[in-house]
Amino acid sequence: GENVGLHLPTLSVQEGDNSIINCAYSNSASDYFIWYKQESGKGPQFIIDIRSNMDKRQGQRVTVLLNKTVKHLSLQIAATQPGDSAVYFCAVPNNAGNMLTFGGGTRLMVKP
Amino acid sequence: DTGVSQDPRHKITKRGQNVTFRCDPISEHNRLYWYRQTLGQGPEFLTYFQNEAQLEKSRLLSDRFSAERPKGSFSTLEIQRTEQGDSAMYLCASSLARVANTGELFFGEGSRLTVL
Repeated sequence: GENVGLHLPTLSVQEGDNSIINCAYSNSASDYFIWYKQESGKGPQFIIDIRSNMDKRQGQRVTVLLNKTVKHLSLQIAATQPGDSAVYFCAVPNNAGNMLTFGGGTRLMVKP
Repeated sequence: DTGVSQDPRHKITKRGQNVTFRCDPISEHNRLYWYRQTLGQGPEFLTYFQNEAQLEKSRLLSDRFSAERPKGSFSTLEIQRTEQGDSAMYLCASSLARVANTGELFFGEGSRLTVL
């Protein structure tokens, strides 16, 4: 099955700085990637997605970069705010396209 | 609130007891998922329904676990003869389309199980 992993379990940034959260995947056939945010005591929440025909996609203060050559994607958060404090997961659909496999997560802590 | 709701939010039980969790998805969503999440880990897939049909089950779903979605609306997840290793957060999610089309699952806030 798909295997996704995160490079760092915890990331601490200063409020106002940019954050970069990384994710590696193993299946070169994966063509769709999703980022989720999970705040304490809540379920995961969709942030942004990207398909393999793109190498960059931007949302509101977030950007996802995809490097298919090294099977790596990253989530960049601009001007990090205290409300961004959460655990971030990357996820990929399985081969049948009917469920998501999540990575282990990176906890983002924002220092005031 | 028209999001995914789960009940109970917390359950403490003794080893060997049976527990049941309920999930009410977003009403127009025909796809429903159960995931399990332990501390410090990402959600792990358990099972998936399209309408009332259970289309996929993880190897994590031992014979002590059973899930149903009898009328294609709410779902229940029952764990029989609970073990301490079953302690986890059980997350339910729903979606309108296949995740290959849109990866946006709508998660509930979860049911936290503690087995003593």
